[in-house]
Amino acid sequence: DIQMTQSPSSLSASIGDRVTITCRASQSISRYLNWYQQKPGNSPKLLIYATYTLQSGVPSRFSGSGSGTDFTLTISSLQPEDFATYFCQQSYNTSITFGQGTRLEIK
Amino acid sequence: QVQLVESGGGVVQPGRSLRLSCAASGFTFRSYAIYWVRRAPGKGLEWVAVISYDGNNKYYADSVKGRFTISRDDPKSTVSLQMSSLTTEDTALYYCARASTMVRGRLDYWGQGTLVTVSS
Repeated sequence: DIQMTQSPSSLSASIGDRVTITCRASQSISRYLNWYQQKPGNSPKLLIYATYTLQSGVPSRFSGSGSGTDFTLTISSLQPEDFATYFCQQSYNTSITFGQGTRLEIK
Repeated sequence: QVQLVESGGGVVQPGRSLRLSCAASGFTFRSYAIYWVRRAPGKGLEWVAVISYDGNNKYYADSVKGRFTISRDDPKSTVSLQMSSLTTEDTALYYCARASTMVRGRLDYWGQGTLVTVSS
């Protein structure tokens, strides 16, 4: 299985900050990397797919980049509703795998 | 609107079985693969199983292979997950989610989840 490693596992930031979360795959996954946001009590929400394509309705302050094994999710200016847990997920093969998550907290 | 509604969760003793269901509406069900993904308390997301749009291909995580069976009923727009030989490690919130393709796709809609607790 392809292992996905996110860093950091948790992060404290303030409103308006620029935040970057990284995700590393144990082997090349080309650009088949998706990002999800999950808030307590809610189901995961697709934010970005295929590395950099924003899902419909997702604010433009979210962006993704990378290829091969290294990927990033960037939030350009944190808003109150962005405090949540973020997961990366590889879709390179049928056995999809997720990163362990990054919990984004208010400083 | 797209909806996925899970049901069937509950408290079950180790070694017993449970059947989860995922009822879909608001989209062309037979065109989508359906995934089961779980989140154990304090843990991250773990893929469990997937069934292709036509039901011909099914894949399982190693942690559930041989114990869980996924199936679909297109006329009823439902997907089921039959779980047997449950252990405490299977305790989690189970989500179903859809994907337009099983490989190199994305899970664009998720249900709210159904809670499975395996405890004696």
